[in-house]
Amino acid sequence: KAGVTQTPRYLIKTRGQQVTLSCSPISGHRSVSWYQQTPGQGLQFLFEYFSETQRNKGNFPGRFSGRQFSNSRSEMNVSTLELGDSALYLCASSLTSGEADTQYFGPGTRLTVL
Amino acid sequence: AQSVTQLGSHVSVSEGALVLLRCNYSSSVPPYLFWYVQYPNQGLQLLLKYTSAATLVKGINGFEAEFKKSETSFHLTKPSAHMSDAAEYFCAVRKDTGRRALTFGSGTRLQVQP
Repeated sequence: KAGVTQTPRYLIKTRGQQVTLSCSPISGHRSVSWYQQTPGQGLQFLFEYFSETQRNKGNFPGRFSGRQFSNSRSEMNVSTLELGDSALYLCASSLTSGEADTQYFGPGTRLTVL
Repeated sequence: AQSVTQLGSHVSVSEGALVLLRCNYSSSVPPYLFWYVQYPNQGLQLLLKYTSAATLVKGINGFEAEFKKSETSFHLTKPSAHMSDAAEYFCAVRKDTGRRALTFGSGTRLQVQP
């Protein structure tokens, strides 16, 4: 079974632009979560979607948004990019909504903001 | 909210030596605990998880962790380090009861010396 895929793997943008990242979960998985990884802040939770509904949101500004489609694929969007948005963005999928569910991570999209 | 603390941002061991990576959690309820590994330029791979079924949890690649409630610890061990174990290791706890979001520790970079 194919793992979580994220596109693109690398992205370079300039301040003020917006960006859309894509995540395809493992087949059959209905929950998708997004995390931001930076050297300074570590791994931080952005948001989680289950059955096209945002179930949980981390402490990030409204410039960060996401959505999930009926096939469970998810996108996250960052508008008005800032230098501090440079990070590795990781997507994780899980099978159901259970607390003990394992989250399987994709390889990430490395975003560089110049 | 639950949290985890990883003691030691860098750990160096010799090949063949015991690996011990420390993780302490704070939780007012029985937690779900996870260890993930991240190799350079890759996403996170699950090593093992604790879901209260057994206090000693065996994972992949010869790693195991023991849940000790009295010490609020979930340390990761491997009897004999291999060069391929060099990576960054993250301990994580379920952020809030009833939700899937993970709270990660700051990570421990393991270096294996020949």
